Amino acid sequence: DAGITQSPRYKITETGRQVTLMCHQTWSHSYMFWYRQDLGHGLRLIYYSAAADITDKGEVPDGYVVSRSKTENFPLTLESATRSQTSVYFCASSDGDRGKAYEQYFGPGTRLTVT
Amino acid sequence: AQKVTQAQTEISVVEKEDVTLDCVYETRDTTYYLFWYKQPPSGELVFLIRRNSFDEQNEISGRYSWNFQKSTSSFNFTITASQVVDSAVYFCALSAYSGYSTLTFGKGTMLLVSP
Repeated sequence: DAGITQSPRYKITETGRQVTLMCHQTWSHSYMFWYRQDLGHGLRLIYYSAAADITDKGEVPDGYVVSRSKTENFPLTLESATRSQTSVYFCASSDGDRGKAYEQYFGPGTRLTVT
Repeated sequence: AQKVTQAQTEISVVEKEDVTLDCVYETRDTTYYLFWYKQPPSGELVFLIRRNSFDEQNEISGRYSWNFQKSTSSFNFTITASQVVDSAVYFCALSAYSGYSTLTFGKGTMLLVSP
């Protein structure tokens, strides 16, 4: 399917387990982003990437790892999940021009529960 | 540092009423982008509009209109003749114009339109 997809859509895991959330986009957008959405906090940026093999930290990167070996994929890994990482995770992508990122298009989200 | 404030946490209106969602931002940049996103109950985030800071012309799209006032650092969103389908959380966001930039989101305003 065209667009941006996330998998899984729902995940329940236990504290201490490693979890990887997948994100795939078919637009060949340069930029990709991971956000978490929590009640009272809105959307907070975890990590972002300007191109393959270029990633950078956002506002709340602790406990997360990202990679981007291919332009279309941007997986997010929780190395040792904690209850505080229970959240809805959104992936987004954006086209860019001379370093400027434009409007971001979001995936459907992954609801992660850490027990 | 950039900041976006959406002071209205929740707004309830009756169908056909007009409603304005407020957005106030802070930035040291002289040029920047402003955005509005909609998150309906289904959870996805839908891009609505992007405006450049050097273009203060108001914009209208059907029942939606946006009032950008640089003098008051506001980018307000008005829905005319609201409908039940407008019920959603609406997010205002800001990004720098030059160089690589990420979005700073407000915490969102939940709009409930009753029949």
